[in-house]
Amino acid sequence: NAGVTQTPKFQVLKTGQSMTLQCAQDMNHNSMYWYRQDPGMGLRLIYYSASEGTTDKGEVPNGYNVSRLNKREFSLRLESAAPSQTSVYFCASSPGRGGSDTQYFGPGTRLTVL
Amino acid sequence: QQQVKQSPQSLIVQKGGISIINCAYENTAFDYFPWYQQFPGKGPALLIAIRPDVSEKKEGRFTISFNKSAKQFSLHIMDSQPGDSATYFCAATPETGANNLFFGTGTRLTVIP
Repeated sequence: NAGVTQTPKFQVLKTGQSMTLQCAQDMNHNSMYWYRQDPGMGLRLIYYSASEGTTDKGEVPNGYNVSRLNKREFSLRLESAAPSQTSVYFCASSPGRGGSDTQYFGPGTRLTVL
Repeated sequence: QQQVKQSPQSLIVQKGGISIINCAYENTAFDYFPWYQQFPGKGPALLIAIRPDVSEKKEGRFTISFNKSAKQFSLHIMDSQPGDSATYFCAATPETGANNLFFGTGTRLTVIP
């Protein structure tokens, strides 16, 4: 039981390049989330998916797209990376659809955009 | 606009001391308040949570105190240990009707042996 896994662990991009961050969970959870963590800003929600086939914007969705490929997988895409997207990205999942569900986080992807 | 304000940004405590982290919110729709603990290089993990129908919740050395009228809540770590050194995030959300957790900015706790 691996929990929430994320790939890659580290990535360096040049401005304008695109990439997809992958996330998978093996806990049969319904909801999945993408956060970014920046110094002094805490964790901010980018997008979430309450169930397979649905996605919704969080606090900071601009510059990102997501795909809930199936119940297990939720990917985050940067179409044209900008230095402001340099951050640590965390994927999380929770069993249900309510805000009070415990969220289980992956180990993070550290992204640097030059 | 930060929905949940957290202080202090960093905290240094001697082993055996009490660590106190404070959070405040404005949105009266918030009714679930978890704390997450994050070790370096890891993702956050749920530590303890409280709902506003109680003023205090204790789990081992960790206690949440909640003041509904002041819209404030705090985490107390009793007998702090070097292994408690981590970043702590408070958070808040409406319990129903939303998936969003709104996190504070985090407190980096260092417990000195």
